[in-house]
Amino acid sequence: EPEVTQTPSHQVTQMGQEVILRCVPISNHLYFYWYRQILGQKVEFLVSFYNNEISEKSEIFDDQFSVERPDGSNFTLKIRSTKLEDSAMYFCASSINGDNEKLFFGSGTQLSVL
Amino acid sequence: AQSVTQPDIHITVSEGASLELRCNYSYGATPYLFWYVQSPGQGLQLLLKYFSGDTLVQGIKGFEAEFKRSQSSFNLRKPSVHWSDAAEYFCAVGAAGANNLFFGTGTRLTVIP
Repeated sequence: EPEVTQTPSHQVTQMGQEVILRCVPISNHLYFYWYRQILGQKVEFLVSFYNNEISEKSEIFDDQFSVERPDGSNFTLKIRSTKLEDSAMYFCASSINGDNEKLFFGSGTQLSVL
Repeated sequence: AQSVTQPDIHITVSEGASLELRCNYSYGATPYLFWYVQSPGQGLQLLLKYFSGDTLVQGIKGFEAEFKRSQSSFNLRKPSVHWSDAAEYFCAVGAAGANNLFFGTGTRLTVIP
């Protein structure tokens, strides 16, 4: 079965550093998403991306965050200057048609900001 | 405001016993409801979903869930738990055509021999 791939599985960074989380969505999918889960809290929607632009974003997704599809296969989340509170599990997801019933999630990247 | 509550943070059951994981939601429109499972090192996998029609939905791995509008609940059940069911379970709510899902905090299931 096709799957969404995220790398790395665990990333440690110093506060104030930039970090890029990488995702390879399923190849024929057109809609891409980032979610995150702070330890002990809910999985929260960050952003959705379609046709090379953000289609929706949450309040969490402020100017420190950006997303990009730099080539035909990768989908990245950049945090410009990490804060301690950015420590979380970040999930990438993709779907063919933007229908939330057919979201495929990756296994996540655990980001630890020290 | 949209929200999902999973009141049980951690549940322990014996292998072969029945299981019920609770989920309550608050949603302004007619909800689409989902249960996802996350095994260690794996992504979120869809177990089942409810959109309309029969309020008892069947999913993969022998799970089922019942939508009760009057109670704003969508509890997940399995009649006989297997050791491989040990995982984190997430309930989520969304709307047709919406980009985002609202998740609960998850329930961690431990299965003991």
